[in-house]
Amino acid sequence: SQQGEEDPQALSIQEGENATMNCSYKTSINNLQWYRQNSGRGLVHLILIRSNEREKHSGRLRVTLDTSKKSSSLLITASRAADTASYFCATGGLIQGAQKLVFGQGTRLTINP
Amino acid sequence: KAGVTQTPRYLIKTRGQQVTLSCSPISGHRSVSWYQQTPGQGLQFLFEYFSETQRNKGNFPGRFSGRQFSNSRSEMNVSTLELGDSALYLCASSSGLQETQYFGPGTRLLVL
Repeated sequence: SQQGEEDPQALSIQEGENATMNCSYKTSINNLQWYRQNSGRGLVHLILIRSNEREKHSGRLRVTLDTSKKSSSLLITASRAADTASYFCATGGLIQGAQKLVFGQGTRLTINP
Repeated sequence: KAGVTQTPRYLIKTRGQQVTLSCSPISGHRSVSWYQQTPGQGLQFLFEYFSETQRNKGNFPGRFSGRQFSNSRSEMNVSTLELGDSALYLCASSSGLQETQYFGPGTRLLVL
């Protein structure tokens, strides 16, 4: 079963606008990660935020984490056509010495020129 | 550094056959994880290998198996293929001591 639920499932915006995607999860976490997937290809790691962090930035990406609400958001500012992709949040990581990521269903983002 | 590579990239099999997929991790990475991605179930964890040992396993039937070699390359095998095994199979590597995983391009398997 999926740990994370993402909202919205699909998002379509104009180039230059900001895109916000949300992720909710069920159990306590050590960290939460966001990945991007272009058109059924491999996933690319975007950013990792630890449970003791509230906000993290990387270029045009801003991630927030609210552990009390078990939710995270990914903001992409000044969107570009190349940002068109599916975005997944993932929890888990390295637990008790073993790797396992549990992914949400993803948000499909379309940037219109 | 070269990224994670997976072979083959595409595969067509028929029900009842078996298939072996290969993954070469980033040089120096000792952990290899496998995921199945389908439109219905999304991304699901299959198993993880570290230094030739399976450290973690997802909730998949015994038809799905894997192994890792001394050079960290990994293979996964699916026996007695079913139509529902049609999916994108993704391999990811990490150092084994860090949280971030680096994914390969995937192998798209179609079972007819």
